[in-house]
Amino acid sequence: GAGVSQSPSNKVTEKGKDVELRCDPISGHTALYWYRQSLGQGLEFLIYFQGNSAPDKSGLPSDRFSAERTGGSVSTLTIQRTQQEDSAVYLCASSSVVGTYGYTFGSGTRLTVV
Amino acid sequence: AQTVTQSQPEMSVQEAETVTLSCTYDTSENNYYLFWYKQPPSRQMILVIRQEAYKQQNATENRFSVNFQKAAKSFSLKISDSQLGDTAMYFCALWGTGNQFYFGTGTSLTVIP
Repeated sequence: GAGVSQSPSNKVTEKGKDVELRCDPISGHTALYWYRQSLGQGLEFLIYFQGNSAPDKSGLPSDRFSAERTGGSVSTLTIQRTQQEDSAVYLCASSSVVGTYGYTFGSGTRLTVV
Repeated sequence: AQTVTQSQPEMSVQEAETVTLSCTYDTSENNYYLFWYKQPPSRQMILVIRQEAYKQQNATENRFSVNFQKAAKSFSLKISDSQLGDTAMYFCALWGTGNQFYFGTGTSLTVIP
């Protein structure tokens, strides 16, 4: 597609439920990133996929968080047993080369855990 | 460790005036890249300007320019002739090792008509 697409745009879930957030990167972009933006904070790196290499999961805050990327394209970020502190905007970005030219970001998913 | 600091949580500027947003960073890398991103209410991060650390010349993009002081590890953004559409959060970011950006906490800019 023309840009990075994320769905849903907004998600309200009950504490303890699992949620899945989806990211469709720009076609042909081999690198895909997930960031979390909490209220009043900068962007916190979560996970990075590059081609067929093993993902860099060093930013995932707990084992309740996981992500996969199927066929080198669409990615899903899953949060199990959601907690109120998981409430944030989750941003996905992609790039065609290593990010020295910057990423293209999606509009994010605003997750609210009640 | 690589860090980015934005010490101005909020700023405002009159329409058509000039404003400068501050950013300092820390890295032990020699080759790195610095960016300013704009985040309007739509939430989508938009690349404003990019600077390669090995270039001494300050980057410019139309009304946007940077003052890159490598020795001081400072990377400020100047917006000239401010427009209402410039109202947004602005994030300074560093790209170094580890294949990821390091972002500051952002500056909320309001352009006043």
